[in-house]
Amino acid sequence: AQSVAQPEDQVNVAEGNPLTVKCTYSVSGNPYLFWYVQYPNRGLQFLLKYITGDNLVKGSYGFEAEFNKSQTSFHLKKPSALVSDSALYFCAVRRRGSQGNLIFGKGTKLSVKP
Amino acid sequence: GAGVSQSPSNKVTEKGKDVELRCDPISGHTALYWYRQSLGQGLEFLIYFQGNSAPDKSGLPSDRFSAERTGGSVSTLTIQRTQQEDSAVYLCASSSARTSGGEIDTQYFGPGTRLTVL
Repeated sequence: AQSVAQPEDQVNVAEGNPLTVKCTYSVSGNPYLFWYVQYPNRGLQFLLKYITGDNLVKGSYGFEAEFNKSQTSFHLKKPSALVSDSALYFCAVRRRGSQGNLIFGKGTKLSVKP
Repeated sequence: GAGVSQSPSNKVTEKGKDVELRCDPISGHTALYWYRQSLGQGLEFLIYFQGNSAPDKSGLPSDRFSAERTGGSVSTLTIQRTQQEDSAVYLCASSSARTSGGEIDTQYFGPGTRLTVL
């Protein structure tokens, strides 16, 4: 069965420090990988995606993610966290060649303290 | 340009009533998706439309749930005889399915409809 794991329910970071939100996946083949962010009472906003090519993907708001095929991971990172980054982050995958749905992780709540 | 819009933003209904949730995708997007977000289940896929056809409706939890899309644009998700376990945020997303360069396009989400069944 295909699945996405976000092992941390919550990540706490001090403002200005680097942050990492972890994601691992179990999907056959080489999937497409995505990160979305959700602010309170809002829909999901797209941050970045990995399709092919360079393993380091840069996205919106200074976020980046590193694809590691051997570890089947796609961790989200940011060099310097902002209080405004506090939100719920979702990792998602979609099977290559599929036109269909995203499979989401359970989400990780990021809290950045001043 | 305009993003995905959903209406209503909030819906409170009584158990046993039918509800309709509406999604207006981004203009020109041929693919449309419905997801459900609840505390216990996270984000679950419900149904996918390509144009007006639904090649994948495997996520619909029961036959009380149905959806249609007309004119390759607006979609309506209908829940009949609502139950308390239907309470959730229903999210709609759209994508162009594939860009002109062949790359898989991104799904863009609407703000959701929060459904509460009393």
